Amino acid sequence: SQTIHQWPATLVQPVGSPLSLECTVEGTSNPNLYWYRQAAGRGLQLLFYSVGIGQISSEVPQNLSASRPQDRQFILSSKKLLLSDSGFYLCAWSVNGNTIYFGEGSWLTVV
Amino acid sequence: DQQVKQNSPSLSVQEGRISILNCDYTNSMFDYFLWYKKYPAEGPTFLISISSIKDKNEDGRFTVFLNKSAKHLSLHIVPSQPGDSAVYFCAASLAGKSTFGDGTTLTVKP
Repeated sequence: SQTIHQWPATLVQPVGSPLSLECTVEGTSNPNLYWYRQAAGRGLQLLFYSVGIGQISSEVPQNLSASRPQDRQFILSSKKLLLSDSGFYLCAWSVNGNTIYFGEGSWLTVV
Repeated sequence: DQQVKQNSPSLSVQEGRISILNCDYTNSMFDYFLWYKKYPAEGPTFLISISSIKDKNEDGRFTVFLNKSAKHLSLHIVPSQPGDSAVYFCAASLAGKSTFGDGTTLTVKP
């Protein structure tokens, strides 16, 4: 069966510090991979999606970036965090592009 | 411009009764629709989906209805149970990308 893991689960970072969230998927090959963010009291906003290694599409202009160095690894990064980057970040995967499956989520608080 | 809207931020129902969660969308090109359930501090869990070529899909206590002419879908939970209390997100998919509503918090009272 397929599983998805993302880490760290919780982190508190000062403004201006870098960020790296990692996500791996097991049990499937060549999945579509996604990064979503849920701000407080809001829905899920698609940040990045990838259909293959090195192929990243950005949905929202911001100071975040994503990379896919391996088929089942997806990384969300920032060089300098802003207060507005605080939120709940979710990695997700899909095979057919329709039904997506989410990881456990990572709480980011920028202080 | 929000393409997927859940106009009710919250819903409260009695245990055993029906819960009806609603969702509206604006883009007629969406071809797949999904419902997710989310508990605090956890990732959303896939519940049920429906293709745009259908108008109803049922899975146990959960039924999703799609009205393409009205660009409206709904999730029915019958009978509702206290464990169903969570935030429910609807999503609409096009070309492999899903757009989510803001969610409806369902509370099922014992």
